[in-house]
Amino acid sequence: DAGITQSPRYKITETGRQVTLMCHQTWSHSYMFWYRQDLGHGLRLIYYSAAADITDKGEVPDGYVVSRSKTENFPLTLESATRSQTSVYFCASSAAEKLFFGSGTQLSVL
Amino acid sequence: GESVGLHLPTLSVQEGDNSIINCAYSNSASDYFIWYKQESGKGPQFIIDIRSNMDKRQGQRVTVLLNKTVKHLSLQIAATQPGDSAVYFCAENNFGNEKLTFGTGTRLTIIP
Repeated sequence: DAGITQSPRYKITETGRQVTLMCHQTWSHSYMFWYRQDLGHGLRLIYYSAAADITDKGEVPDGYVVSRSKTENFPLTLESATRSQTSVYFCASSAAEKLFFGSGTQLSVL
Repeated sequence: GESVGLHLPTLSVQEGDNSIINCAYSNSASDYFIWYKQESGKGPQFIIDIRSNMDKRQGQRVTVLLNKTVKHLSLQIAATQPGDSAVYFCAENNFGNEKLTFGTGTRLTIIP
């Protein structure tokens, strides 16, 4: 089915390890986003991308790296995971200002 | 700083009654507002949107009201059903570049 998919669904890692969360969309939307969701903070924007090879920081970019070599993929990398990065991560793409979200990746950093 | 906030973090409503979820925004320059529904274990799902040149917009069982004078947004759900139980987020577009700012969410619980 067309849509936006995230992998893995669940991930447990240790502090200091590098982790990459994958996001793939089949709509060819130009814009893609990464949000993290924490209790009391709602959805906070980490990074976004307006097109392939164009990325920009959001509200909480520290400790994260993104790339977008192809329109359909927008991976998010935690270069050295910290406990404060334990969260649920959502990828989204947009068309006409409406965001379409994936099912999320629940990440636990021990 | 600019923010989108919600008046109440939780709301319990009897099945069949109408629900009203409120949202305040602070950026008077925002011109586009969206309501999202998030069920447990899932990503947020678009419900309804409204532009700043409108005061009201209706969908299927949902109505969004926008009061620009007091910078207030509300989502009305008619005849609530058990499937309406979820967290509801309002969001605003600050810069017209498809980057949304979300509120913290209101959890709606339907009482059978």
